[in-house]
Amino acid sequence: ETGVTQTPRHLVMGMTNKKSLKCEQHLGHNAMYWYKQSAKKPLELMFVYSLEERVENNSVPSRFSPECPNSSHLFLHLHTLQPEDSALYLCASSQGGGDSSYEQYFGPGTRLTVT
Amino acid sequence: GQNIDQPTEMTATEGAIVQINCTYQTSGFNGLFWYQQHAGEAPTFLSYNVLDGLEEKGRFSSFLSRSKGYSYLLLKELQMKDSASYLCAVKDSNYQLIWGAGTKLIIKP
Repeated sequence: ETGVTQTPRHLVMGMTNKKSLKCEQHLGHNAMYWYKQSAKKPLELMFVYSLEERVENNSVPSRFSPECPNSSHLFLHLHTLQPEDSALYLCASSQGGGDSSYEQYFGPGTRLTVT
Repeated sequence: GQNIDQPTEMTATEGAIVQINCTYQTSGFNGLFWYQQHAGEAPTFLSYNVLDGLEEKGRFSSFLSRSKGYSYLLLKELQMKDSASYLCAVKDSNYQLIWGAGTKLIIKP
């Protein structure tokens, strides 16, 4: 089941560029998440939105800026990134908010390379 | 600090059984999840344990011991398609999901 879609799937950007990642969930969930996945490291939670309100921001640098216009869509705006930001960025959604025990459904991710 | 430990890599033979262990030290506990992630794909939910004991779901089973801070995922009758990374994650007292780095499982014919 791939009820969560992400675009683009791959992105190469220079450090001075501005780009946005898009996530859409078709599952009727009310919570959405952004994660960063680097090789051989645990998933790092970046942002959590519940009912379109940001409920968590895990000390993420300001060069990452999330936006949740409605419960089905989530964006991650990127600007002046660093090479160490190169990673797989995963979007997820769940039935409940962060304070629930519902499982999360993940999108396929955007492979980001910063040059 | 909070920590999830699982082996980095395991190898098993097609048709066999493999057990992937996960130990955790977290501030509180509100459930443990196992996810499967094939290379280049999204993690997909496998199981959820919140009470001690074994949960069976077809060829996959997950066990939890809260007193020991320990879980395992048991995969039976291994198939080549089971080659993937298996991620263990625990919800702490604040319902924050703490993730392990994943165990890469390699299945050989």
